[in-house]
Amino acid sequence: RKEVEQDPGPFNVPEGATVAFNCTYSNSASQSFFWYRQDCRKEPKLLMSVYSSGNEDGRFTAQLNRASQYISLLIRDSKLSDSATYLCVVNMGGGGATNKLIFGTGTLLAVQP
Amino acid sequence: EADIYQTPRYLVIGTGKKITLECSQTMGHDKMYWYQQDPGMELHLIHYSYGVNSTEKGDLSSESTVSRIRTEHFPLTLESARPSHTSQYLCASSRGVLTGELFFGEGSRLTVL
Repeated sequence: RKEVEQDPGPFNVPEGATVAFNCTYSNSASQSFFWYRQDCRKEPKLLMSVYSSGNEDGRFTAQLNRASQYISLLIRDSKLSDSATYLCVVNMGGGGATNKLIFGTGTLLAVQP
Repeated sequence: EADIYQTPRYLVIGTGKKITLECSQTMGHDKMYWYQQDPGMELHLIHYSYGVNSTEKGDLSSESTVSRIRTEHFPLTLESARPSHTSQYLCASSRGVLTGELFFGEGSRLTVL
């Protein structure tokens, strides 16, 4: 089983739609969680951190469910510019120098006009 | 925009050649990383460094080597390139892993014929 799993998609949605992505992680000791965005043939960039209490940034809402070991990203009122691959990223902990980030395969979102 | 730069952006080279992928950052970050990403696949950590003269292998076995003689510079070298090394190599830096924010370069896309 992969340490971080995502539905690869693609998710094809019309402009204005609400879309949600889920991501599961295998290590219950994981400490912190993030969503990155990667445009086609570009480098990944941090979209938002995911806090235990859930957090919102404009049209984007991230939530964490530690009991079920999954995180989610909700995008409201989708824009064409939201089209990208969304990467779920988990800090697996481990302490010391091995504290490192594990990237999921990503979920591809295509917003249609 | 992140101040982290990779060269070359694209490289097509014959089997057996020695190559060095350059990565430099001007943010004063101690932590630097090399990831490998094939199309449609997740990023895999192949090397990381937590400071000058510190280098460690990542999760994915790689025949490449790295060095960290200066804080701002983290080059990756392949002594003898093979077609199996064809991939995208992404360099990143961060202040710390717990913040989850890695700043990525634009990547070096390597093709070995």
